[in-house]
This record gives sequence, C-alpha cells and structure tokens, in this order.
Amino acid sequence: SQQGEEDPQALSIQEGENATMNCSYKTSINNLQWYRQNSGRGLVHLILIRSNEREKHSGRLRVTLDTSKKSSSLLITASRAADTASYFCATVPLLMKTSYDKVIFGPGTSLSVIP
Amino acid sequence: SQTIHQWPATLVQPVGSPLSLECTVEGTSNPNLYWYRQAAGRGLQLLFYSVGIGQISSEVPQNLSASRPQDRQFILSSKKLLLSDSGFYLCAWSPGRAGTDTQYFGPGTRLTVL
Repeated sequence: SQQGEEDPQALSIQEGENATMNCSYKTSINNLQWYRQNSGRGLVHLILIRSNEREKHSGRLRVTLDTSKKSSSLLITASRAADTASYFCATVPLLMKTSYDKVIFGPGTSLSVIP
Repeated sequence: SQTIHQWPATLVQPVGSPLSLECTVEGTSNPNLYWYRQAAGRGLQLLFYSVGIGQISSEVPQNLSASRPQDRQFILSSKKLLLSDSGFYLCAWSPGRAGTDTQYFGPGTRLTVL
C-alpha cells in the first residue's frame, strides 16, 4: 500500500467555502509536501512542512502535521474557481538505506470549486 | 530563475516503435533529476532518478531506460513501446540532497501508444 494517501478522493465545494484535504502515511517521515496539479499540467509545489513543525501558512493555505497520528491536512480558505485542481501529498520517509530519500506521492484529491 | 522544459508535449506512437522524451533544466547546476509516470486520475510513479551525469537509478524494472548525457539534460527512452507505456510523463528536478527538497516539475508529455 502507498506511503501517503489523500482523503477524500474527490471534493466539490462552492466558491467562497473552505476546502480541507487530508493525507495519512504509514512510516516516520523527514518532511511532507503538498503539490497542486491543474488538469494536463505538471505539478506545482505548494508547501513543505518538516517533521518538527506542526503548522505552516502560505497565503490562503494552511497545512498541519500530526506526526503522532501520521497525518496532515491542507486547508484552502475562501476557495476560488481557480483552485480547481488535483492536490497531492508527498512524503519523504526517514531512515532510507540508500543515499536517495525517496519522495512518495499519494493518489491525490480532486477538488472542484463551483462558481 | 530556474526553468524546466519537456518535449514533445504530446506524442502518439504505434506499439513497437522507439521513444525518446527529453527534459532540460536551465538556471541551476548539478540538479537531481527525475522521471515520473502518471496514469489517468492517479498519483505519480517514480521511474528513474539521477544525482549526476551518467548516474541513473531505476525504481521500477520495465520497458524504459533513462540517460543523462549532460548535467541538465535527462532523456527517457524505449526501444519498443508497449500499450501499457501510455500515460503522462513528468520530468522534475530538485536541488540539494536528492529527494528531501521541493521538486520542480516540467509541463509533462502525454504519450499515447496505439
């Protein structure tokens, strides 16, 4: 099974509402990242939160990390139609035996913001 | 500023034909480079990563290969495409220690194998 899994798989909200997406993972991590992907495009990095951080903000984005529950949430406040995209969490597991710390992407949450 | 390019943007190829996708990065040196594949509506599958010229690591044994002939050039190839090779191919780069930092993605190549 995957290291990171987003929940829900799909989310539809009205413009102006808040959108919350969750990510759960299985092993201890170095950091956790959130990315956004517009349809048919590459991924864009949104925010990185390290294992010793509990919350980070960037504009209308708020990310929390609970390492005891092995979970993270991404909150988008006052959503806009332009926020419609897929959102992925990506984890970097700790204690990798190779020199490369693999970034593992979850399957994503598809967010639709209805004008 | 750094930019990453991929081409072609879309490609339709017959089964059994060869493949060459190219990725180049500008504005940085000695980047870590990655090739991912994304099936429709799914997450990303890491195919290859490279921490330097000529240094390629494969994550998933398959019909594809990768090469890094220059510091900022990463090529994904196949000698004979399979139907299952269809998908959206993304190249990415990162600075610093491989995998721990933010990855910056190219616009992707949509490959359809018929």
